[in-house]
Amino acid sequence: AQSVAQPEDQVNVAEGNPLTVKCTYSVSGNPYLFWYVQYPNRGLQFLLKYITGDNLVKGSYGFEAEFNKSQTSFHLKKPSALVSDSALYFCAVRDGNTGKLIFGQGTTLQVKP
Amino acid sequence: EAGVAQSPRYKIIEKRQSVAFWCNPISGHATLYWYQQILGQGPKLLIQFQNNGVVDDSQLPKDRFSAERLKGVDSTLKIQPAKLEDSAVYLCASSLDSEYYEQYFGPGTRLTVT
Repeated sequence: AQSVAQPEDQVNVAEGNPLTVKCTYSVSGNPYLFWYVQYPNRGLQFLLKYITGDNLVKGSYGFEAEFNKSQTSFHLKKPSALVSDSALYFCAVRDGNTGKLIFGQGTTLQVKP
Repeated sequence: EAGVAQSPRYKIIEKRQSVAFWCNPISGHATLYWYQQILGQGPKLLIQFQNNGVVDDSQLPKDRFSAERLKGVDSTLKIQPAKLEDSAVYLCASSLDSEYYEQYFGPGTRLTVT
């Protein structure tokens, strides 16, 4: 069965430093992977996706993600964190049979000034 | 482009009462999803529509939850009767198609069952 794991409940980083939010996946077939961000009392906002092609995917707000097939990972990265990046981040994988998204449990990113 | 609209934003009901949520997807989006997000967890799909047909409702508690998407546009999700464990945020999302496209989420409805 398809699944997603986000091993860190919370990531703390200082403003201006690079950030990484980790995600590993388990799928049968080709993985279609997504990152979403959720701000308090808001719905999820799409950041980026990997369907095929380059392993480094660029998305919104300066975020990027690196797809690594051998390690079954899809880590979210940003070269320089902003305080406004503080939010809840979800990694998701598309179920190849039904098309539905299967979400990880989420990682809270805290960027401190 | 207008986003996904949901109402109400907040609802408080007592257990065994009924409640309904409404969703208006982005214009032209064929696929509509209802998710349940319990505090501290990722969203879990309840039901997926392609136009006005159900694609996946395997996780929908059908003894109390129902959903419809009339004319392939708006959708309503109903809970009757509600239980305490139904307290959650109910998110509606839509996408152009279920194949490769990202889903766009509405702001959600926060349901509290007392």
